[in-house]
Amino acid sequence: QVQLVQSGSELKKPGDSVKVSCKASGYSFSNYAINWVRQAPGQGLEWLGRINTNTGNPRYGQGFTGRLVFSLDTSVTTAYLQISSLKAEDTAVYYCAREASYGSGMDVWGKGTTVTVSS
Amino acid sequence: QSVLTQPPSVSAAPGQKVTISCSGSSSNIGNNYVSWYQQFPGTAPQLLIYENNKRPSGIPDRFSGSKFDTSATLGITGLQSGDEAVYYCGTWDSRLGAWTFGGGTKLSVL
Repeated sequence: QVQLVQSGSELKKPGDSVKVSCKASGYSFSNYAINWVRQAPGQGLEWLGRINTNTGNPRYGQGFTGRLVFSLDTSVTTAYLQISSLKAEDTAVYYCAREASYGSGMDVWGKGTTVTVSS
Repeated sequence: QSVLTQPPSVSAAPGQKVTISCSGSSSNIGNNYVSWYQQFPGTAPQLLIYENNKRPSGIPDRFSGSKFDTSATLGITGLQSGDEAVYYCGTWDSRLGAWTFGGGTKLSVL
């Protein structure tokens, strides 16, 4: 079936980097962009950006350019989110979600990856 | 503060109908599709409505979406206790060049 399977929880220290994976299966990977969305404890949804799985072209949300890197390995239908210079405020659940076209809606979501940043 | 404005909470009795509003501007709701998401505690959001008023397969017709000008509304009829969740609206913002979500509305079924 169509699914996005994310990597497991991470515990990091301030200043560290983390790489979260999102493996797609059950559909044609290049037909859907992958969005990255995070949710801090008790807070709402925050869009981090998206990557075009056909061209590899990323688009980063405001305030994140420079610390985030989206990448792909199309050979294993997997998208990656890398965050550098982690801060305590980056503690959140990170979700990947697919989308057919800009604004059409995110119809399949991964279960989320918890990233905890603590000294 | 979210670009899209939702009420923090709504409530209604089982079997009743409830509506959740989402207010934006011409750069987002006014010129782009709106989608709605349901989120239970500790789980990922789930798409309920896409392209303003379409339901993905498997979503019951108790859920409906509409849009007028720069506002959108999610309607839920025949409320059940299992509908208690947080609901988010979302849309593309052409001015920001970014997806934006409302702050979320917690639905209580009394």
